[in-house]
Amino acid sequence: AQSVTQLDSQVPVFEEAPVELRCNYSSSVSVYLFWYVQYPNQGLQLLLKYLSGSTLVKGINGFEAEFNKSQTSFHLRKPSVHISDTAEYFCAVSAGGTSYGKLTFGQGTILTVHP
Amino acid sequence: KAGVTQTPRYLIKTRGQQVTLSCSPISGHRSVSWYQQTPGQGLQFLFEYFSETQRNKGNFPGRFSGRQFSNSRSEMNVSTLELGDSALYLCASSLAPGDTQYFGPGTRLTVL
Repeated sequence: AQSVTQLDSQVPVFEEAPVELRCNYSSSVSVYLFWYVQYPNQGLQLLLKYLSGSTLVKGINGFEAEFNKSQTSFHLRKPSVHISDTAEYFCAVSAGGTSYGKLTFGQGTILTVHP
Repeated sequence: KAGVTQTPRYLIKTRGQQVTLSCSPISGHRSVSWYQQTPGQGLQFLFEYFSETQRNKGNFPGRFSGRQFSNSRSEMNVSTLELGDSALYLCASSLAPGDTQYFGPGTRLTVL
């Protein structure tokens, strides 16, 4: 079975500052990793994904994440945030075998960008 | 290309009733998954369908069921509603199992 831990439930930051949202996962098999964003009263929007290859993954809206297999982490970063980045962010994993296609989510990190 | 659509967007029911939610995947996508989102439990996997067959099921009681039609559209049904079933129900579609999942806007179910 897989599990995901998002280490911060809330992250406040000022506009134009850098931000890192932390995600650790646990799995006995190789995994695919995802970050999704959810704006109020909306569904989830895919920010980026790691399937294989380069461990540094670039996504939409200037976000990037780095897969670290030894530390089982997949932290999300943005060098300069905007007010419009205020939202809840979810890290998720999926694995092979019979769980193929099932996403396991972390509890979410609420990012609040202050002017 | 149109995204995942879910109907209805909002629903209010009373305890003991049953409800059916609908999901239309992105054109060409054949896999549909359902998730429940609540403040207390977060996002939890309900089930996954591909080619009209349930491939995976989460840890939910038998009151929760679903199906997929030949055009890949999917429905989920909850019978004998309980207050704790109040949640945002999200549908996601992908080309095939294991491919990237794209989510719809969700159906907000309130059970009174």
